[in-house]
Amino acid sequence: GEDVEQSLFLSVREGDSSVINCTYTDSSSTYLYWYKQEPGAGLQLLTYIFSNMDMKQDQRLTVLLNKKDKHLSLRIADTQTGDSAIYFCARVRGGADGLTFGKGTHLIIQP
Amino acid sequence: ETGVTQTPRHLVMGMTNKKSLKCEQHLGHNAMYWYKQSAKKPLELMFVYSLEERVENNSVPSRFSPECPNSSHLFLHLHTLQPEDSALYLCASSQELGGTQYFGPGTRLLVL
Repeated sequence: GEDVEQSLFLSVREGDSSVINCTYTDSSSTYLYWYKQEPGAGLQLLTYIFSNMDMKQDQRLTVLLNKKDKHLSLRIADTQTGDSAIYFCARVRGGADGLTFGKGTHLIIQP
Repeated sequence: ETGVTQTPRHLVMGMTNKKSLKCEQHLGHNAMYWYKQSAKKPLELMFVYSLEERVENNSVPSRFSPECPNSSHLFLHLHTLQPEDSALYLCASSQELGGTQYFGPGTRLLVL
């Protein structure tokens, strides 16, 4: 299987919460990231979490990390049309190790 | 000034052409990266530079040649590319090697 896995699509209603899930295999990952990519654009860093933390909150975003299960999630509260994008989960070990990405989850917002 | 810039934003080239992609970071970072994003694969790390020294080359074909003349600039020189090299090429930088990476907008490359 892939090193980092995500569902390809998630559809939610405007105003609801979105939860995007990610699993990874490398237990030596030091940091885990969520990036957002809008059409025709590069990757925008949304948030990150250090591997010894289990939760981080930043305004509408909540990241949960279950290190035992190697599971990371991103919750977006009160989802808006502007949240429509591809969300990438990524991990790094540090040093010369670059980021290893999942394939991205397309977040689709229904009115 | 935007943190990481890339030029050109779009590029169309024939298989016999030679072109270069440019990346510039205005963040005072010491490490820079090239990634390839193609339609059917996850983002792939291509090259890593730290303090202008290449520290990682992920089995990238020699038709891609990186250059890092200083810590603010990174180039990707392209020659005799194949149609399967068509992709979005993303540059990123981080304060130190392995640190949080910030990405540029990418160069959309089409090889005919």
